[in-house]
Amino acid sequence: GAVVSQHPSRVICKSGTSVKIECRSLDFQATTMFWYRQFPKQSLMLMATSNEGSKATYEQGVEKDKFLINHASLTLSTLTVTSAHPEDSSFYICSAWRRGGGNEQFFGPGTRLTVL
Amino acid sequence: AQTVTQSQPEMSVQEAETVTLSCTYDTSESDYYLFWYKQPPSRQMILVIRQEAYKQQNATENRFSVNFQKAAKSFSLKISDSQLGDAAMYFCAYRSELSQGNLIFGKGTKLSVKP
Repeated sequence: GAVVSQHPSRVICKSGTSVKIECRSLDFQATTMFWYRQFPKQSLMLMATSNEGSKATYEQGVEKDKFLINHASLTLSTLTVTSAHPEDSSFYICSAWRRGGGNEQFFGPGTRLTVL
Repeated sequence: AQTVTQSQPEMSVQEAETVTLSCTYDTSESDYYLFWYKQPPSRQMILVIRQEAYKQQNATENRFSVNFQKAAKSFSLKISDSQLGDAAMYFCAYRSELSQGNLIFGKGTKLSVKP
């Protein structure tokens, strides 16, 4: 199957700082990527849909100014958590959608963010 | 809006036995896709099996099979000959044919496998 990487896998930061998470599709082009958030023992909640070359589409209740998404190329989307606070601590997972064929989404390994 | 419901927060199965995980969904659409994903302790999401709604035949992948009942909006996962490595969280997911591809997940079922 296709491979999606995320970097970093873990990050600890101080409250008020910004953190950037990268999501890369390594062996296919992904015009659409998705960012999910998962709290402990809970399901994945879609935060936003990232489209290459255009603005991201955010789900209701997700602050677009706090969670900045940039999909600058067909293989890279970034999520920047600005002015992070302890309540932003969570597990962030990206996925890349490979159109055609199985129309399948491939998930990255996730990033654990801890804000002190 | 579409919803996905997994009514079993936790399930347990003896090694080599069979277990069925339940999933129901609500939609007014006729064309969509259904998925079962496995999330082991590593938290990497792994696709287990998928079903296209237009296909009447139930999907199978080795020890994994589904019982897709479109009229009842039910999509259960059967794991045969359970193995210790099957222990994980299992998420049922829905994707609309009309969507940009985003998945709607159920709350998950934690499966334990007893040796």
